[in-house]
Amino acid sequence: AQSVTQPDIHITVSEGASLELRCNYSYGATPYLFWYVQSPGQGLQLLLKYFSGDTLVQGIKGFEAEFKRSQSSFNLRKPSVHWSDAAEYFCAVGPGDTGGGNKLTFGTGTQLKVEL
Amino acid sequence: NAGVTQTPKFQVLKTGQSMTLQCAQDMNHEYMSWYRQDPGMGLRLIHYSVGAGITDQGEVPNGYNVSRSTTEDFPLRLLSAAPSQTSVYFCASSGGGGETQYFGPGTRLLVL
Repeated sequence: AQSVTQPDIHITVSEGASLELRCNYSYGATPYLFWYVQSPGQGLQLLLKYFSGDTLVQGIKGFEAEFKRSQSSFNLRKPSVHWSDAAEYFCAVGPGDTGGGNKLTFGTGTQLKVEL
Repeated sequence: NAGVTQTPKFQVLKTGQSMTLQCAQDMNHEYMSWYRQDPGMGLRLIHYSVGAGITDQGEVPNGYNVSRSTTEDFPLRLLSAAPSQTSVYFCASSGGGGETQYFGPGTRLLVL
C-alpha cells in the first residue's frame, strides 16, 4: 500500500525567506508524485507533478520539487516566499500505472504561515 | 469550460437521512474520484471510476455508493447519513495515467 508522510504540521517563515516543505512516501515501484496547495475554503490547485525523467521538477508560482528515490522523498522548495503563499500544502502519491493519478494517497498537509 | 462542478456547496442532514452529492465535468475525462477531507487527515479516497460503467472502492468506501452512467457525471450517494460522515467532499477528474487531476470546489456536509 502507498503512504505519504508530511512531518511538519505547521511552518512559519518570513516573507522573502526560502521555504522547504518535506514529503516522504512509501511505494514499491516508481510512483506518481504531486504537490497541491489549498487556500482557506477553496479547492486544491496543482503546483507540480513528477512521473519520470528529470528529478528536479518546476511548477507554478516559483515552486520546485526534487524527487530523491534513495530517500523516498519529494520535498517542495521556493527560494523566496511571498505573503500570498500562506496556505495548506499537500503532498500526494499515486501508483505509477494507468489511472494512477486518479487514485491518490494524500499526506496530512503542512500549514504555511508567512510573517510580514 | 466549467471544469469540475459540485452541488450543493453546503448541506445539513439529520442522522439516517439520505442524499446525493452531484459531480460533473466537461473535460471529457475518463477518470473521476471522490475524496473526503477531515481536519488533520488530509484527503482520503472514497470511490473512483475509470470510465462509464466502471467504479471501484478507495480507502474509505463504507457508507457511500457511486455509479457512473455517463462520462460527465459521478454522483456520490449517502444511503443513511451518520455524524462520522460530516466532512468536506471533493470530486476530481483526470484524463488518466499521470495526468493532472482537477478538483471541484467541494461540498461541505454536516450530519447532526
